[in-house]
Amino acid sequence: GAGVSQSPRYKVAKRGQDVALRCDPISGHVSLFWYQQALGQGPEFLTYFQNEAQLDKSGLPSDRFFAERPEGSVSTLKIQRTQQEDSAVYLCASSLAQAFGRFNEQFFGPGTRLTVL
Amino acid sequence: GENVEQHPSTLSVQEGDSAVIKCTYSDSASNYFPWYKQELGKRPQLIIDIRSNVGEKKDQRIAVTLNKTAKHFSLHITETQPEDSAVYFCAASISSGSARQLTFGSGTQLTVLP
Repeated sequence: GAGVSQSPRYKVAKRGQDVALRCDPISGHVSLFWYQQALGQGPEFLTYFQNEAQLDKSGLPSDRFFAERPEGSVSTLKIQRTQQEDSAVYLCASSLAQAFGRFNEQFFGPGTRLTVL
Repeated sequence: GENVEQHPSTLSVQEGDSAVIKCTYSDSASNYFPWYKQELGKRPQLIIDIRSNVGEKKDQRIAVTLNKTAKHFSLHITETQPEDSAVYFCAASISSGSARQLTFGSGTQLTVLP
């Protein structure tokens, strides 16, 4: 079946521009995560949704970052007034898990590589 | 919060030899430890995971061990092949509330020399 998809795959923005990154999770997956992966580093947690509820946004680096998942499926990560330090690969992952205490694999999308000039 | 340290950062082995990657974690509440393989420009893919109620798990040429007392876990790859060359990430899951986010190590670039 189809895996997690993300669009665009590559995005170049001028400093100060707003960008929107889209994630289509695996159908039926309740949990959705956004991670930021800097070059040569491991992914770092940004935010987590369970259905349409954003349960944890503690990893968002500033108030310029905003994420939503209004219908509990597709999610959008928006970055306002982009800065050069925002350049990274943004990974989305989805998981079937919905209940505390359950462990389910997180399936990752291919990522969006954002370059801010 | 959780902190995961991973060593070594780079590892080169001859084809057919074994490779071992080690990770330590800080939060004793962590109880799920997956390993992901990421090829250049590709998405991370789960290769094996272990839960805190077991000490070892094996899947063909790949095995993972967990020492809860010492808070470290390791990935073992035997009979390495050139296609094993990739970046490998360990991760730990914090058991708090309903969030299941992963905290990743910094990665190990494994190169298998033919």
